[in-house]
Amino acid sequence: GEDVEQSLFLSVREGDSSVINCTYTDSSSTYLYWYKQEPGAGLQLLTYIFSNMDMKQDQRLTVLLNKKDKHLSLRIADTQTGDSAIYFCAESPGSSNTGKLIFGQGTTLQVKP
Amino acid sequence: EAQVTQNPRYLITVTGKKLTVTCSQNMNHEYMSWYRQDPGLGLRQIYYSMNVEVTDKGDVPEGYKVSRKEKRNFPLILESPSPNQTSLYFCASSFTGRAGELFFGEGSRLTVL
Repeated sequence: GEDVEQSLFLSVREGDSSVINCTYTDSSSTYLYWYKQEPGAGLQLLTYIFSNMDMKQDQRLTVLLNKKDKHLSLRIADTQTGDSAIYFCAESPGSSNTGKLIFGQGTTLQVKP
Repeated sequence: EAQVTQNPRYLITVTGKKLTVTCSQNMNHEYMSWYRQDPGLGLRQIYYSMNVEVTDKGDVPEGYKVSRKEKRNFPLILESPSPNQTSLYFCASSFTGRAGELFFGEGSRLTVL
């Protein structure tokens, strides 16, 4: 079935780069997404990538997609304390016409000053 | 301001006492959905609605009901809450053609004793 896996925790120092990894199972996924959840808040869409792309860059964020290995990563350059949050990877299954997203468990990013 | 509003934000109730969590969006979105978030499990879809009067089950619909009488509102009903429904609930909405670009509410933390 459809599944999305992420590591649960990542700790970095302020100013370093953060790389959050995700694997998914549905090779027919058309879009893959990264959402951010700050403490006490709902999820906020950070960025997304279409399945025929390898890379997408948006300011400090770089998304890499390896479709062969079904691996997605989010790199945050010059990580700041304000980046501390839970990051969710999500796929939009190709078999679904319902708009459903399959979310990973979320990776908690801790940024140390 | 574009937003998804959920109420209540926090609720403690007892087993069997019917409750409703309201959700309203002001973006004229066709698609609305309810998710629950539990530690280690990420977000799981409860119900979704593609448009007014069109609703369908997600992955974990047992014990929940929804209705979509108006485009802006999508209430979640727990007819007879049980302790295993203790969770953090999120309502989300989007345009149908961009279903993965969800706007989330701030969440409703429900405790069932």
